[in-house]
Amino acid sequence: KAGVTQTPRYLIKTRGQQVTLSCSPISGHRSVSWYQQTPGQGLQFLFEYFSETQRNKGNFPGRFSGRQFSNSRSEMNVSTLELGDSALYLCASHQFADTQYFGPGTRLTVL
Amino acid sequence: GENVEQHPSTLSVQEGDSAVIKCTYSDSASNYFPWYKQELGKGPQLIIDIRSNVGEKKDQRIAVTLNKTAKHFSLHITETQPEDSAVYFCAVEGSQGNLIFGKGTKLSVKP
Repeated sequence: KAGVTQTPRYLIKTRGQQVTLSCSPISGHRSVSWYQQTPGQGLQFLFEYFSETQRNKGNFPGRFSGRQFSNSRSEMNVSTLELGDSALYLCASHQFADTQYFGPGTRLTVL
Repeated sequence: GENVEQHPSTLSVQEGDSAVIKCTYSDSASNYFPWYKQELGKGPQLIIDIRSNVGEKKDQRIAVTLNKTAKHFSLHITETQPEDSAVYFCAVEGSQGNLIFGKGTKLSVKP
């Protein structure tokens, strides 16, 4: 089985721009969770999608949003980028509520 | 909310020695406790997990122990090898089903 894929792997944006990241889960997995990883805050939960519906949401501002498509692929969007949004954005694929498998991440740099 | 404390933040051992990483958590309702290994430039990789109905689980050189009464769990790596060098994260399943991570332990195995 192919693993979790995330595109692009690297992104450089400037403040005020918006960005869209993509995640393709493991075949058969219907849940996708997104996490932000920074040196200061560590790994923090952004949101979870299941069957095209947001099931859970972490404590992030409304500039962070996401969606899931009928093929379980998911995208997350960050609008009005700030310097503090520079991070590794990780997508996790899971079939059940707990065992999560992570992709390689998208490294976002905001200048 | 749920809080996960992980110690130590850095750990250096000689090849062949054992390494132990400990985590404590605050929510007694938590039932799922995975451990992840993250190598440079990669996403976290699940290495072992344990559920609350089990006290210990082993997989070759890796073992995890869980003490639900004391709300702590530990990762044990025996006969360490240079390729074990990485950052290790413990996690706890939160009330929303998301994972709450410790801050990580950077393990260095010296040949």
